[in-house]
Amino acid sequence: DAGITQSPRHKVTETGTPVTLRCHQTENHRYMYWYRQDPGHGLRLIHYSYGVKDTDKGEVSDGYSVSRSKTEDFLLTLESATSSQTSVYFCAISTGTSNTEAFFGQGTRLTVV
Amino acid sequence: ILNVEQSPQSLHVQEGDSTNFTCSFPSSNFYALHWYRWETAKSPEALFVMTLNGDEKKKGRISATLNTKEGYSYLYIKGSQPEDSATYLCAPSQGGSEKLVFGKGTKLTVNP
Repeated sequence: DAGITQSPRHKVTETGTPVTLRCHQTENHRYMYWYRQDPGHGLRLIHYSYGVKDTDKGEVSDGYSVSRSKTEDFLLTLESATSSQTSVYFCAISTGTSNTEAFFGQGTRLTVV
Repeated sequence: ILNVEQSPQSLHVQEGDSTNFTCSFPSSNFYALHWYRWETAKSPEALFVMTLNGDEKKKGRISATLNTKEGYSYLYIKGSQPEDSATYLCAPSQGGSEKLVFGKGTKLTVNP
């Protein structure tokens, strides 16, 4: 299995509080992604990173920010959590070459009450 | 935002049936097409990554074809088994970018 770990695995937080989710990899892969899973929408891309300090927005980036200060860590921050951000969040990594797949973390279940 | 369409949205088949689904994507500036299998309460796992027009890939009873000129890929499952029940996702990428945007998936249920 690819070395990718998400933390925490489960979190309950209150509306209006900031929350940070962490994705840690030991594979030295260039690309890292954050997705959220929602019924009827599959996986939607929030942000992704193509290198240290290089990030770009995905489909549903409003209300989220990311940081990548080193290769192995990609942090997703909900600046002020809302109930609509209750979801399962998946991190993924890839080498970025055209013929290689992405590997996914185990997911983080976030509930905003 | 890349427009990725998967059809059908869901599919119920009987054990032993063969089935197929479609992924449609913009043909311009094509780079690669990924297929993933996603079981409930688990993480998505890669099936295939395809890059060349006319590519065909196979893994056991599952195979896929790619048409980059018209912008579609088919995923086939031969002799479906209950353990094939999952959501199948595709994700094209364009122009050398590895920005992976997924379709909404096809949810397959195989009844014993």
